[in-house]
Parts: sequence; C-alpha cells; structure tokens
Amino acid sequence: QITLKESGPTVVKPTQTLTLTCTFSGFSLSTPGVGVAWIRQPPGKALEWLALIYWDDDKRYSPSLKSRLTITKDTSKDQVVLTMTNMNPADTSTYYCAHRNKMTTALFDSWGQGILVTVSS
Amino acid sequence: DIQMTQSPSTLSAYVGDRVTISCRASQSVFTWLAWYQQKPGKAPKALIYKTSILEEGVPSRFSGSGSGTEFTLTISGLQPDDFATYYCQQYSSFWTFGQGTKVEIK
Repeated sequence: QITLKESGPTVVKPTQTLTLTCTFSGFSLSTPGVGVAWIRQPPGKALEWLALIYWDDDKRYSPSLKSRLTITKDTSKDQVVLTMTNMNPADTSTYYCAHRNKMTTALFDSWGQGILVTVSS
Repeated sequence: DIQMTQSPSTLSAYVGDRVTISCRASQSVFTWLAWYQQKPGKAPKALIYKTSILEEGVPSRFSGSGSGTEFTLTISGLQPDDFATYYCQQYSSFWTFGQGTKVEIK
C-alpha cells in the first residue's frame, strides 16, 4: 500500500522560502519509472502541478514557477523535498505530493492528505 | 503551455442521471488525458488514464472518450457517491489540470 504525507510550516511570511517534505512508503524512488510530484490547490480553486522528480533524478518544473522551485529526493529516507522561494499571499494553497509511475498508468495514482500553507505577515 | 478548459463549471443532476463533462485542450494531447475526482477536504482520486482506461477499482459507470483536443467523461447512472468535483489533466507536455466541474445534487 502506497502512502504519502506532506509536512512543513503551515504559515510563512511574504518573501520567505517555503520548504515542504513528502515522506512516503510502499514504493521506492529507486525503482525505474517512479516519480513523486508536487501539486497545489488554492482555496476553492483548481489544481496546479508544480514539480516532479523521477527515480533517476530527472527533474521537471512548471515553466511559470521554475525560477522559484527546487525539488530534491533522499532515497535513503524515502523523502522528497520541495522548496519555493519568495512566497507571496497568492501562494496560499493546499500542497499535495503524489506518486507517479510512468511505466504503468502514468497517473498521479496516490496522493498525500495535503498541507494547507498560508502566506501572511 | 497547454491549457485545459472544462465545461460546464457546475452541473446539477439527479441520482440515476447520465452526465457528461467536456474537456478541451489548447493543442493536441493525443490520448494523454486523465480524469480525477475530488471531494471536499480530500485529495483527488485518479479515475481514468490514457483517455478511456479505468484505474483499478473504479466503477464501470465511469467512462472516457476523445482524442486530440476534445475529451469527455461520462457517468452513466449517477450515484450519491459521485457528487464531487472532476478534473481533467493532460500529460502530453508536463501536466496541466482543467479548472474543474462540480457535480451537484439537483
């Protein structure tokens, strides 16, 4: 059974850097085809994909946010970390991490529960 | 960037109805199209991938069709558990979600 859980601060101030950690179980980020993505959702709004890292350390970023995002993995800890710089109130969202295997369905087939991050002074 | 547009934004229906949600891509995504269901306060749940293939465990009343830029999600015989918001997502070039379609009880 695949599980993922997001952790990090729930409130950050404008201009600060957000660091979120996704801790997962039930799969390995060493397995070919496997990736972990970050997706966010502002309150009452649609989903927005942010970044994804694959088992081979291939990284993909949303073109509109690329300059502010960094995604890394720690395979030994079964964790993926997302950093987003220069946070502003428009970044207030629930942030999700999700599992993907491009060798099978290629879906975001398992999601964490999400963490609501509020940007406020 | 590929933009995804869903219609309608909100849909009111009765239990038992057949409902259809449309999704249009700003350029061809071939058949690299998925559908997700989201209930309030919960993470999205994957329903369909590659336009028409049901994820394991998804009821057969859900179906998907289309190709290129025009896609459809159909629920045949709406059940109480199906009232939720549905998102299409392309994965031809990066990943982009539609703005969502909320299915409400009429």
